[in-house]
Amino acid sequence: AQKVTQAQTEISVVEKEDVTLDCVYETRDTTYYLFWYKQPPSGELVFLIRRNSFDEQNEISGRYSWNFQKSTSSFNFTITASQVVDSAVYFCALSPTSSSNTGKLIFGQGTTLQVKP
Amino acid sequence: GAGVSQTPSNKVTEKGKYVELRCDPISGHTALYWYRQSLGQGPEFLIYFQGTGAADDSGLPNDRFFAVRPEGSVSTLKIQRTERGDSAVYLCASSLVTSGTDTQYFGPGTRLTVL
Repeated sequence: AQKVTQAQTEISVVEKEDVTLDCVYETRDTTYYLFWYKQPPSGELVFLIRRNSFDEQNEISGRYSWNFQKSTSSFNFTITASQVVDSAVYFCALSPTSSSNTGKLIFGQGTTLQVKP
Repeated sequence: GAGVSQTPSNKVTEKGKYVELRCDPISGHTALYWYRQSLGQGPEFLIYFQGTGAADDSGLPNDRFFAVRPEGSVSTLKIQRTERGDSAVYLCASSLVTSGTDTQYFGPGTRLTVL
């Protein structure tokens, strides 16, 4: 089965706190891509990062960092020194790349992050 | 450059009516996807186009749903005999090439409400 689980439905933090959003995935494919998208109150999904299954290096982009661990099938997302503008719903998504797949994304349920001033 | 655009942004219709939702992908993107997002859920795949042809329509819930992309650019999602359960945000995404390797960029969505 291909599945993405975001166990945290809602997280609330105070501005400047660090916060980690969890993502666990299931796939039988040996090659796949993982994504994180942000959905602010305006509703549009904003691409944050893409990572392929062969690259387990952690990535940092400004206040954002991602920890990919193939051994635990997890692709967690950390926001350092959170800001009110980070308030949004965050989605983790999986794209298996077997021959039968057409690039469709399998999304988790999303985690709603509220950052309070 | 311009992103993915979708029209209308909101559509309210009555049960049993026919609706069309339009998606204009990023220029030059060959792959186009439709997803449906119900309240409090992640987007769910509906259909995928490579060029003009629907390469994967496995996500369409039933035969009331149909989509076209006649010239390989703009796509229209058509829903016949709408039902209240069709109420959701319909998202369109495009990517430069076809495969699971490429990033999909999403439009703002069309919020469909069936009364």
